[in-house]
Amino acid sequence: NAGVTQTPKFRVLKTGQSMTLLCAQDMNHEYMYWYRQDPGMGLRLIHYSVGEGTTAKGEVPDGYNVSRLKKQNFLLGLESAAPSQTSVYFCASSPHGGIGTGELFFGEGSRLTVL
Amino acid sequence: GENVEQHPSTLSVQEGDSAVIKCTYSDSASNYFPWYKQELGKGPQLIIDIRSNVGEKKDQRIAVTLNKTAKHFSLHITETQPEDSAVYFCAASMRDTGRRALTFGSGTRLQVQP
Repeated sequence: NAGVTQTPKFRVLKTGQSMTLLCAQDMNHEYMYWYRQDPGMGLRLIHYSVGEGTTAKGEVPDGYNVSRLKKQNFLLGLESAAPSQTSVYFCASSPHGGIGTGELFFGEGSRLTVL
Repeated sequence: GENVEQHPSTLSVQEGDSAVIKCTYSDSASNYFPWYKQELGKGPQLIIDIRSNVGEKKDQRIAVTLNKTAKHFSLHITETQPEDSAVYFCAASMRDTGRRALTFGSGTRLQVQP
């Protein structure tokens, strides 16, 4: 019953450092997403993937890269962290289009602080 | 692209009272409107959703109404309980597209006072 698992849950970086957030889902979902959550701004889509080996830009993609080498994993990378990337990051997954309810299943979030 | 506005940003009610959260959207092509509840330290979780061919949907104490002409939809919680305290997000998307990416509102923090 793991669902969507994000690692790490907390991380503090210095400006210019790089890091990768890992998202893993065990529901065999085709679609995966990375959102960031900032106070007063809701959830904004960074990148998403409609299947293994595919990625696409969302609403706020600058400064991030993603990879989906395996269906169950979606990685979010920050090559050179900036204070503006301080946020809580949420990964989500959903079934293939036309199947299921359209529900997004979210992980518990990863809090990133860039000093 | 789609833009979703949500009001109010905070809402405090007494236990047993009703709570209403309102959202408006900009893209008339949107046809799927879910509501998510986020408890402290957790990810958002779907509580109810509505499609554009339906004007109202109810699930126990929770109901959602949709006015496509005015491009707004609302969440209604009746007989509120302390466990309803959380942040609520509305969202909109074109459900039947391959992308199925949601545009979220900015959230409403609901506090139910015992």
